Amino acid sequence: GEDVEQSLFLSVREGDSSVINCTYTDSSSTYLYWYKQEPGAGLQLLTYIFSNMDMKQDQRLTVLLNKKDKHLSLRIADTQTGDSAIYFCAESYMDTGRRALTFGSGTRLQVQP
Amino acid sequence: DAGVIQSPRHEVTEMGQEVTLRCKPISGHDYLFWYRQTMMRGLELLIYFNNNVPIDDSGMPEDRFSAKMPNASFSTLKIQPSEPRDSAVYFCASSFGGAGTDTQYFGPGTRLTVL
Repeated sequence: GEDVEQSLFLSVREGDSSVINCTYTDSSSTYLYWYKQEPGAGLQLLTYIFSNMDMKQDQRLTVLLNKKDKHLSLRIADTQTGDSAIYFCAESYMDTGRRALTFGSGTRLQVQP
Repeated sequence: DAGVIQSPRHEVTEMGQEVTLRCKPISGHDYLFWYRQTMMRGLELLIYFNNNVPIDDSGMPEDRFSAKMPNASFSTLKIQPSEPRDSAVYFCASSFGGAGTDTQYFGPGTRLTVL
């Protein structure tokens, strides 16, 4: 079945690295995504990774995918106060023809100055 | 491109009234999604369209909710009659099926308050 789980809250100090984790249950997922939601705003796509990749790096963001354990993580290097937001992971199942994403419940990242 | 456009940004109404939320997807996108976000239930997919045709409406809560997409550049989500438990932020998102991914682009949302 489709289920995406995330921890609810993470607090870090400015300048430290943040690691936000996500687990999913469906091994047929094709792409996995990270979205960011700032207060009062919609979800903004940060990055995505194809399911046959292990890692993807984009500036301060590093995505790691462990397909065996169905574990996805987002690492933010040199975390800034502007990174405070809710982060959602999501998966898609393009092979099934279903085009909707399944979202996790979101992890609230709080960055302490 | 202006991105996904939603209107109104905020809506306050009284129980029993009809509410219509509007969405303009990104030009060229052929998928459109309506989501609802609440503290209790998180982000829920209500319905999605492909080429203006509803594909999956299994997330629509009940018959009080209806969605239409009369053309490729416009969709509405209607609640009639509205109830206090419908209070939430409603998001519209769009994607391009030919992109090779399911990347969805979200609008800013409509915050609905039903008194």
